[in-house]
Amino acid sequence: GEDVEQSLFLSVREGDSSVINCTYTDSSSTYLYWYKQEPGAGLQLLTYIFSNMDMKQDQRLTVLLNKKDKHLSLRIADTQTGDSAIYFCAESHYTDKLIFGTGTRLQVFP
Amino acid sequence: NAGVTQTPKFQVLKTGQSMTLQCAQDMNHNSMYWYRQDPGMGLRLIYYSASEGTTDKGEVPNGYNVSRLNKREFSLRLESAAPSQTSVYFCASRGQPIGSGGGNEQFFGPGTRLTVL
Repeated sequence: GEDVEQSLFLSVREGDSSVINCTYTDSSSTYLYWYKQEPGAGLQLLTYIFSNMDMKQDQRLTVLLNKKDKHLSLRIADTQTGDSAIYFCAESHYTDKLIFGTGTRLQVFP
Repeated sequence: NAGVTQTPKFQVLKTGQSMTLQCAQDMNHNSMYWYRQDPGMGLRLIYYSASEGTTDKGEVPNGYNVSRLNKREFSLRLESAAPSQTSVYFCASRGQPIGSGGGNEQFFGPGTRLTVL
C-alpha cells in the first residue's frame, strides 16, 4: 500500500536554512503537499507541487521533487522561531483522500 | 466564517463509555474527514464522507461509527471506548480542487484531545 516516511525531528539555529525530507512509495501520486501544524492547532496547507514539476518556490519556501527516487523536500530559508511546528508531507492521486507522513517536528533555537 | 469547528476540545472517558465527537464546517464543502493523530504515526484516516448521505471507511475504522447528518455536519461516535482510542481527533473538509483540478486542500478543525482510562 501507499506509505509516506519522514524523519521525526529537526533542530536548526535561527537564521539558518531548514531542509525537511520525505519519501513516498506510490509512483502514481499526482500531487504532493506540505502541511504545517502549530502547537495545539489543526494542520494548514503550506504549499504543494504537481508531479510533473521538479521545483516550486514560494517566498522563503522551496519544494524539490525527485520523482525517480520518490523524494520530496521542503527548504525553509532564514528559519525563524515562528517556523517551529510539525511539518507533514502528504500525497494524493486524483482521489478524495490524502496519505500523510509521520510528521517532522522542527525546533528553531536562537 | 468559522471554518471547521469541533466539540468538545477535551474529553476524558472510562473504558466502555460512549461519546460522540461533533464537527461542522461552514464553507459549503462536499467532502469531510475524521483523522486520529498519534505520536510517531502521523494522521490516519478513520472515516470520510464524499458527499451528504455517503460515508466510507478509511485506514483505521474499527471501533468507530460516523454520521453525515447534512452537508455541514459530520460526527464520529465511539460506542465503547478503549484505552487504544486515546488520541487527538481531527475533523477536516476538502475545499475546491487546487492546481490542475486534482489537488486536495483540506481544512482542519482545532482537534479533540480524548483520553480513555
